[in-house]
Formats: sequence, structure tokens, C-alpha cells
Amino acid sequence: SSELTQDPAVSVALGQTVRITCQGDSLRSYYASWYQQKPGQAPVLVIYGKNNRPSGIPDRFSGSSSGNTASLTITGAQAEDEADYYCNSRDSSGNHPLFGGGTKLTVL
Amino acid sequence: QVQLVESGGGLVKPGGSLRLSCAASGFTFSDYYMSWIRQAPGKGLEWVSYISSSGSTIYYADSVKGRFTISRDNAKNSLYLQMNSLRAEDTAVYYCARREVTMGDYFDYWGQGTLVTVSS
Repeated sequence: SSELTQDPAVSVALGQTVRITCQGDSLRSYYASWYQQKPGQAPVLVIYGKNNRPSGIPDRFSGSSSGNTASLTITGAQAEDEADYYCNSRDSSGNHPLFGGGTKLTVL
Repeated sequence: QVQLVESGGGLVKPGGSLRLSCAASGFTFSDYYMSWIRQAPGKGLEWVSYISSSGSTIYYADSVKGRFTISRDNAKNSLYLQMNSLRAEDTAVYYCARREVTMGDYFDYWGQGTLVTVSS
């Protein structure tokens, strides 16, 4: 299918570890990238490729992939990590970028 | 530093047209694919269109195909989106984003967005 599926909402206690997942058939062929979006702001790239962080992204953010599922893991979540997270890859044709529906992360 | 600044958003009636612009700076614009991505109020991200570095390859989402036209002027470091036959469901913040395709496939820089409201 040409869809990327994310859980709508996830919560984590401050300082704990949380995994946000993204499922889709295209993830068997293409890496996912992950974006963090805080209210009223543009999205920010946090993970790309196999497991790469852009400059300035804390190393508590990491990415992984297995089969049709890509994951974004935040190890030791901070209050400032509370945001919406979107995965991105390609659709089944390989020509069109595709975004997941987004996961709202709450840090308790 | 890389900067992307969108402009051209506003209020337009259904069936109307609007042209968005994105001014790029801080990198060699002609080396990069560029894309438009939108976000309806309270909704998720939706890819709209992308254009290759030379402009020779262009793709559109099915939701805008035949109504929107993406273009670029590498001499002016600018990206454009001509939007015709606008519908209420096109109401969204439109982001310009740089798409990295040689070292992977991702959107590494985004503008702050410009709001398009389609309403009578």
C-alpha cells in the first residue's frame, strides 16, 4: 500500500525512553526520515538515512528499521521533546514522497 | 546559513489562483531538488510537488495534479508554485523545503511557511 502508518499519540515519563514507529510497505525498500514539529513552527529534520542526525540534533535521538517498520527512539526524553513527529519515505512507485500521519508525543 | 523564505499566501475565493514564491539563500540553489509540502489546519504534513535541480523532472501529488504548477528560476534562486482552481481543501500552510536526494532522501531545510486560505 502507499501509506505510512503512525500511532496518533504516545506518552513518556520524563527521562525515560520512547519509541515512535512508522509502518509501510515502502519501508522495506527505502529508509525513513523523521521530523519534529512544535506548535506554530516548521518541521525540523531529526533523523535521516540508516541512523544519521543533522548537526545540532541531540544524540538521544536515534533511528532504526526492520522489515516494514521504521522507528525513532528518544533515549532519556526531555520536556523540550514534546512535539509532533512525522516519518517520511516514498510511496510504492518510488517517485512520490510520503508522510506518515504523525505522532503526538507527550512528556509527562 | 541556509534560508528559505516563502511568500505569496493569502485569502482567495474558491476557483481562484495564487502564486507562491520561495527565496533561497545560503547554498547553491541550482544543485538541489526542491519541494512544496503543505499542512492543513490541525492536520499532518502532505507532500505537494517536487522539482529536480535542473527543472527537468517534476512530480505532483494526485490531489493537485492538473491544477498546480511548480517551477524554479536558478538564476534568481527562487522556487514557485502556481495554484489554479483552488478549493477549500487546499487551505493550508505551504512550506518550501530543500530535498536531499544524493546522500539519501529527505527534506533537510524548511521555510517558515505561508498560509493559503481558500474561502468565499
